[in-house]
Formats: sequence, structure tokens, C-alpha cells
Amino acid sequence: KNQVEQSPQSLIILEGKNCTLQCNYTVSPFSNLRWYKQDTGRGPVSLTIMTFSENTKSNGRYTATLDADTKQSSLHITASQLSDSASYICVVSPNTNAGKSTFGDGTTLTVKP
Amino acid sequence: DGGITQSPKYLFRKEGQNVTLSCEQNLNHDAMYWYRQDPGQGLRLIYYSQIVNDFQKGDIAEGYSVSREKKESFPLTVTSAQKNPTAFYLCASSIMSNTHDTQYFGPGTRLTVL
Repeated sequence: KNQVEQSPQSLIILEGKNCTLQCNYTVSPFSNLRWYKQDTGRGPVSLTIMTFSENTKSNGRYTATLDADTKQSSLHITASQLSDSASYICVVSPNTNAGKSTFGDGTTLTVKP
Repeated sequence: DGGITQSPKYLFRKEGQNVTLSCEQNLNHDAMYWYRQDPGQGLRLIYYSQIVNDFQKGDIAEGYSVSREKKESFPLTVTSAQKNPTAFYLCASSIMSNTHDTQYFGPGTRLTVL
């Protein structure tokens, strides 16, 4: 069964600090991995997408890494801001249509002043 | 102003009633999706449509129905057969149903059964 596991479940950090969120998956065959940011009560917004051949991708203060051999990804947030408080969702898609994507449960990040 | 919209933002339903959630997009996307999100859980796919007049069941289609009569519209009906409908419902669209295409999400509808 295809699975996506995210850790930690929740995280609290102080404003200005860095943090790293983890995503492990068992989806096969692998096509791509996405990270989304979801503010409370809103729809998710795409941060990054990586395919099999990509190791890292950045979007401003967000940097995602992918190790397709170990089936692990991480999302690193640099110099956190209060507006980074949200749920971060990892989504892994197989080499078929998007209807078969598997969503992780998300990591809830709280940035405190 | 391009985007994907959902209405209403909040919806209350009495037990035994059917309700329809609206989803409209003006992005000219072929593919549209409906997800359900429960607290602390990942999004689960209810239905998706790759093209007008065609749709497929997702992982949790029981108690739900959809239609895709127009490219820009993909309404979801929550029927009385859905035993636990209280949840946050998200609609999404993508250029095509290829997994490389980014899905754009609407703002969501929170359904509460009274």
C-alpha cells in the first residue's frame, strides 16, 4: 500500500529560527513529490515539486530535498516568520494520473514571536 | 481574476438531507478533483474528473456524487448515505490529470451536520 509519513506531527519554533520537516514515502513507481503549505481554514498552496532526478529545489526561504534511493524528502525553512505558521503537506505521485496521489497527514508548524 | 472558487464557505445540514457544494474554475483546466480533509488527517480523494462528462471514483466515493457538465464546474453532492459528512471539503484543478501538473486548490467548504 502506498504511504506517506510526515514527521514531526507538530513543531513549535521561535521567529527567526530554522527548521526541517521530514517526509518518508513508499509510493511506487515514483513520479514526483510536492510540498504544499496550508493555512488554517484555507486550501493548500504549492511550494515545490521535484521529480526523480532532482535533489533539491528552492522557493524563497523554503528548500526541499529529495533522496529517491531512500525515499525521503525534507523541507527546510530558513529564518522563520510568523506567517510560516501553517500545516505543511507532502504529496507523492506515482507514474500514473494525479488521481492516484498520496497525501501525508501534514506537519503543523507554529512560529512564536 | 483567475482562480478556483468554492461556495459556500460554511454549510450546515440536517441529518437526512442532501447538499451540493459548488466548485468553479476559470483557469481553463481539464482536470478537477474533490478531497475531504478531517482534523489531523491527510486529504482523501472523493472523485476526480479528467475531462467534461467523465469522472472517476476516488478512495472514499461512497455517499457522494458529482457531475461534470461544463469544463469550469464540478459540483459535489453529499447525500444522506454519507454517514459522517462533517468535514472540510477541498476542490482542486490542474491543467490535465498528469501528475506533473500542479493542483490548484480552492478555499474550501466546511460542512457541519447538525
